[in-house]
Amino acid sequence: DAGITQSPRYKITETGRQVTLMCHQTWSHSYMFWYRQDLGHGLRLIYYSAAADITDKGEVPDGYVVSRSKTENFPLTLESATRSQTSVYFCASKREGTSDTQYFGPGTRLTVL
Amino acid sequence: KQEVTQIPAALSVPEGENLVLNCSFTDSAIYNLQWFRQDPGKGLTSLLLIQSSQREQTSGRLNASLDKSSGRSTLYIAASQPGDSATYLCAVYFGNEKLTFGTGTRLTIIP
Repeated sequence: DAGITQSPRYKITETGRQVTLMCHQTWSHSYMFWYRQDLGHGLRLIYYSAAADITDKGEVPDGYVVSRSKTENFPLTLESATRSQTSVYFCASKREGTSDTQYFGPGTRLTVL
Repeated sequence: KQEVTQIPAALSVPEGENLVLNCSFTDSAIYNLQWFRQDPGKGLTSLLLIQSSQREQTSGRLNASLDKSSGRSTLYIAASQPGDSATYLCAVYFGNEKLTFGTGTRLTIIP
């Protein structure tokens, strides 16, 4: 199906484990973004990518790693998960240019025990 | 620091009433402002996008206004319905390809 998808939708892991959240979009949008959403903080940008092989830090990048070898995929890896990384993670994409809106995936709810 | 604020955090109104949601931002040098809707457990859906050169945008029962000089935007919902119950998020492009979000207003329409 066309659009932006995230997997898994729900994930429970333990402190110290590595976790990878997947994001896939079918529009060939240049830009992709990872946000986390926490009560009281709203959505905060973790990392973003302007194109394949180009990534940049957002507001809260510590503890996360991203890569973008293909335009349609933008995985987010927590190298050693911590309880503070329990959150809902949203991926988004948009066409190049500031006039366009961002399109969001359905989110991944991650719990770190 | 560029910030976006939404007050109140929660709002309840009877069905059929018109209502206004508020958004304020700290820097008037914006590229555009967007309003999103988020249903519980779901992602964000874009409702309206206002370019910095525009004063308002309309879509059906929704009207969003933008006043850059005062750093404010409002989202007007006419003839509210129970299906309008959701969290509404305001987000601003301050010119760096990154959206800055407010914390949202949780709207409940009482049947």
